[in-house]
Amino acid sequence: SYVLTQPPSVSVAPGQTARIPCGGNNIGSKNVHWYQQEPGQPPLLVIYYDSNRPSGIPDRFSGSNSGNTATLTISRVEAGDEADYYCHVWDSSSDHVVFGGGTKLTVL
Amino acid sequence: QVQLQESGPGLVKPSETLSLTCAVSGDSISKTYWTWVRQPPGQGLEWMGYIHFSGSTNYNPSLRSRLTISADTSKNQLSLTLKSVTTGDTAIYYCARVALGSGIVGGLDVWGLGTTVTVSS
Repeated sequence: SYVLTQPPSVSVAPGQTARIPCGGNNIGSKNVHWYQQEPGQPPLLVIYYDSNRPSGIPDRFSGSNSGNTATLTISRVEAGDEADYYCHVWDSSSDHVVFGGGTKLTVL
Repeated sequence: QVQLQESGPGLVKPSETLSLTCAVSGDSISKTYWTWVRQPPGQGLEWMGYIHFSGSTNYNPSLRSRLTISADTSKNQLSLTLKSVTTGDTAIYYCARVALGSGIVGGLDVWGLGTTVTVSS
C-alpha cells in the first residue's frame, strides 16, 4: 500500500518560513492536498491539487510537489498557524485514500 | 453553504456494532464522493472508506471486513456501520465531502465537526 511520510514536528520562529515535507514514492505524479487541524477542530483544507488555495486561505500558504516529496510552505509564520498539518493523496493503483501521519507545527 | 453533521451513540460496548449517520444540508449528496475519516485520541487521521452517490464504495483494507458505508439519497445522508468494535475503534469520526467536479482525486473541502465514539464496557 502507498505510504506518505511526514516528520512528527517542525518548529519555526514567528515571521520565518515553515516547510513541511510529505514524502512518497513518485508523489510528484499524484495530486496532493494539505489540511490544517487546530486542537478540537476538524481538519481544514488549506492546499488542494499540490499548490492551489481555497477561498479564504491566506497567500502565506503555498504548496509544491515534485519527485518523491511534496511540500507545504507557510511564509511569515504567525502564532495562529500553530497546528497539526496532514498531507493526503488518492492512490490510483489501490483506489485508496492515504493520509500522512501528520506534522505538528510549533511556533517558537 | 454545505454543512455536515455526524451523529451516533457516543458509547458502544466491545463486540457490538457501531452505527453513525452524517446528515448533509445545503447540497445534494448525489453530486460527488463522500468519505469517512476517523482520528483516535492523540493520533492522526485514518481514512475509513468512501462512497459515490451511485453507490460504489471502497474501504480501507484494515477495516473492510467490518465496515459498511451507505448513502440514502431520499434523506440526503450517509451512514457508517462498523461491526465487532474493540477499544481500538475509540475515535472521533468525521464525514467529509470530496470537492465537486474532481472525482475521488479531489481534496476534502467540507468536513463535519465529528462525533466522538468511545468503546468501553
